[in-house]
Amino acid sequence: GQQLNQSPQSMFIQEGEDVSMNCTSSSIFNTWLWYKQEPGEGPVLLIALYKAGELTSNGRLTAQFGITRKDSFLNISASIPSDVGIYFCAGPDWGGTYKYIFGTGTRLKVLA
Amino acid sequence: EAGVAQSPRYKIIEKRQSVAFWCNPISGHATLYWYQQILGQGPKLLIQFQNNGVVDDSQLPKDRFSAERLKGVDSTLKIQPAKLEDSAVYLCASTTIAGTYEQYFGPGTRLTVT
Repeated sequence: GQQLNQSPQSMFIQEGEDVSMNCTSSSIFNTWLWYKQEPGEGPVLLIALYKAGELTSNGRLTAQFGITRKDSFLNISASIPSDVGIYFCAGPDWGGTYKYIFGTGTRLKVLA
Repeated sequence: EAGVAQSPRYKIIEKRQSVAFWCNPISGHATLYWYQQILGQGPKLLIQFQNNGVVDDSQLPKDRFSAERLKGVDSTLKIQPAKLEDSAVYLCASTTIAGTYEQYFGPGTRLTVT
């Protein structure tokens, strides 16, 4: 079945640094979603991507399709301590309508 | 508006026991999802409801898991009997209608099977 692999698996950065993470699939996706999950909470949608080639922003977060559309990138600029959490990508499951599969996650820790 | 509510937040049971989780979606949301999230992994869809009908339950282990959504509002997920590998966080999410990407997740129920 489809799998979404995220890298890096975890990262430790200094406050103020920029962050970049990516998600790869074995299939072409027309939609990519990026979520953030904090401890003890459910995932929260950050950015939804629908159009290849466009950069989509949400405050300090930007995301885009990769060239092959089998991957996507999430960037966080000027990280702050509250950026700590696990970031998941998600893409549509080819077997169903509006059913999404989630990636393996990137755990981000910000050192003040 | 109130978010997705789930209870209990934590549950510890012994293997072979039964357990039930409850979810109340955001008011007016017709589509409800149950996910299983094993530690260190992303959420995996177990079952999807549209109103009180099942849309997809292809990944639900039906020999031990069951779910219902009577009256198309709140939902319960049951495990009977539980196994050690069922230890996970069970997340409920809802959307206004099927076809909407923006799922709103509840805080989850953390299940530990000993």
